[in-house]
Amino acid sequence: GNSVTQMEGPVTLSEEAFLTINCTYTATGYPSLFWYVQYPGEGLQLLLKATKADDKGSNKGFEATYRKETTSFHLEKGSVQVSDSAVYFCALRVAGGYQKVTFGTGTKLQVIP
Amino acid sequence: EAGVTQFPSHSVIEKGQTVTLRCDPISGHDNLYWYRRVMGKEIKFLLHFVKESKQDESGMPNNRFLAERTGGTYSTLKVQPAELEDSGVYFCASSDTSGGRNNEQFFGPGTRLTVL
Repeated sequence: GNSVTQMEGPVTLSEEAFLTINCTYTATGYPSLFWYVQYPGEGLQLLLKATKADDKGSNKGFEATYRKETTSFHLEKGSVQVSDSAVYFCALRVAGGYQKVTFGTGTKLQVIP
Repeated sequence: EAGVTQFPSHSVIEKGQTVTLRCDPISGHDNLYWYRRVMGKEIKFLLHFVKESKQDESGMPNNRFLAERTGGTYSTLKVQPAELEDSGVYFCASSDTSGGRNNEQFFGPGTRLTVL
């Protein structure tokens, strides 16, 4: 089956620190990979995605590269801000866009001034 | 254009009661999905509608959960009777019919259900 494993949280960083949230996956087939973010009091938002190996997804200073050889999709940001405090979910979807999304457990990030 | 909306945003009920959650997808989206996140764990798929038909309901936990999408527009998810372990956040998502790898599912804000 399909599964996503991401690092346990919570993660607490000081403002301007470097962020890495690890994510690895197993999938039957060739997945598309996603990072979703949930800010406090809000719904899930797509942060970035990559649909094939070696693609790099990027948005709002966040980046993640689709590594097929290591089945990973780690999220990185060079300098976090307080406004980045949220829960981050790594996810995958196999085959067509109508298929269900498989999520990881989520990693809560808290950025302190 | 309005996004996916869900109602209510919060619901607190007692064990044994019935609760109905509603989801309004983005207009024109034939695909509608329900997911839930229980106890801070991963977000899990419940079911998928294509228009009014259930395409995949493999994630529905048991027969206390009933989902409907009459007319292929909004959807309801009823829990009857509710149990303590049903507490969590229920998300709805919708997507159009393009089916390509770049097709995106748009998520609603979720309904937080607390069963006491």
